[in-house]
Amino acid sequence: SQTIHQWPATLVQPVGSPLSLECTVEGTSNPNLYWYRQAAGRGLQLLFYSVGIGQISSEVPQNLSASRPQDRQFILSSKKLLLSDSGFYLCAWSQQGESLHFGNGTRLTVT
Amino acid sequence: GESVGLHLPTLSVQEGDNSIINCAYSNSASDYFIWYKQESGKGPQFIIDIRSNMDKRQGQRVTVLLNKTVKHLSLQIAATQPGDSAVYFCAEAGGSYIPTFGRGTSLIVHP
Repeated sequence: SQTIHQWPATLVQPVGSPLSLECTVEGTSNPNLYWYRQAAGRGLQLLFYSVGIGQISSEVPQNLSASRPQDRQFILSSKKLLLSDSGFYLCAWSQQGESLHFGNGTRLTVT
Repeated sequence: GESVGLHLPTLSVQEGDNSIINCAYSNSASDYFIWYKQESGKGPQFIIDIRSNMDKRQGQRVTVLLNKTVKHLSLQIAATQPGDSAVYFCAEAGGSYIPTFGRGTSLIVHP
């Protein structure tokens, strides 16, 4: 069966520090991969998606970047965090035309 | 871009009652619709989906209805249980199958 792993579950970082959130998927090949951000009490905002290794599409201009160094690995990064980067970050995978499967998220607090 | 919205942000029901969560969508090109359940501190979990060539689909205790004429989607939960308490999101997708999520409805089930 397919599984998705996100870590860490929670993270507290000072303003100006770098960020690296990692997501890996097991049990499937060539998945579409996604990073979403969810503000408290709000819906999910798509940040990045990838249809293959090295292929990243950005949905909103921001302080974050994404990379896909391997087929089932998706990384969300920032060189310098802002207070506004605080939120709940969710990684997801899908096969084309199918529903998304989410990880359990990372709660990021920038102080 | 076009948006997906929910009519009610909070729905309170008694245990054993049936619940109906509604969703309006505005992108007439959307042909795939998904309902997700999100429990506190976790990622959204797939409940049920429906494609535009159908107007009803049933799962275990859940039914999704699609009315393409008025661009309306609903999720019906039969015999609602306390474990059904969560935030429910509808999502729509078109040719790219990258879903757009609504704001979410909080379902509260009273024992």
